[in-house]
Amino acid sequence: DAMVIQNPRYQVTQFGKPVTLSCSQTLNHNVMYWYQQKSSQAPKLLFHYYDKDFNNEADTPDNFQSRRPNTSFCFLDIRSPGLGDAAMYLCATSRAQGAEAFFGQGTRLTVV
Amino acid sequence: SQQGEEDPQALSIQEGENATMNCSYKTSINNLQWYRQNSGRGLVHLILIRSNEREKHSGRLRVTLDTSKKSSSLLITASRAADTASYFCATHYAGGTSYGKLTFGQGTILTVHP
Repeated sequence: DAMVIQNPRYQVTQFGKPVTLSCSQTLNHNVMYWYQQKSSQAPKLLFHYYDKDFNNEADTPDNFQSRRPNTSFCFLDIRSPGLGDAAMYLCATSRAQGAEAFFGQGTRLTVV
Repeated sequence: SQQGEEDPQALSIQEGENATMNCSYKTSINNLQWYRQNSGRGLVHLILIRSNEREKHSGRLRVTLDTSKKSSSLLITASRAADTASYFCATHYAGGTSYGKLTFGQGTILTVHP
């Protein structure tokens, strides 16, 4: 059974049109992460939550926002997507900070 | 950057050979983890080694950690074509503003030829 589910798997959005990516988990983990991964690069941490405690990376663009309304769900909002935001977006959870992370299958975002 | 560096960037071997990948990092860590990623998919956790451990095994995987050199290696023995993937190390830093983050290195692309 899938434990970290990302929807949609593929998302095409227009330049400048807001888009929301979603992540849900059935593991009841406290920690959730959002990563951006561009082709042939390492996953780059955008945000992470420990329960409701939100941590924003210093170099995460203001264009990116996140919401975690409850333990199970987390959202990534891109307010005005640019061509440079095309990437795979990965959501992950872990039981505790620094523990093994469980990843979703990712959402491949294309900006046209 | 706190991200680790991995080498080699790409590794091509024959089935049955061993594959060794290396990872270096910059600051004190609580643990170091290795992940595997098949093309276009999410990452899968392979093994975690704590800062007070020097070596760990899991099946055909062997991980070493040298905190004095701030480096780790992943050895895959008797490789199979199905091991073809990208392999990433990830570090959980010990404190300060980095606490709680899981930060990934650049990765090694492993190709195992049948």
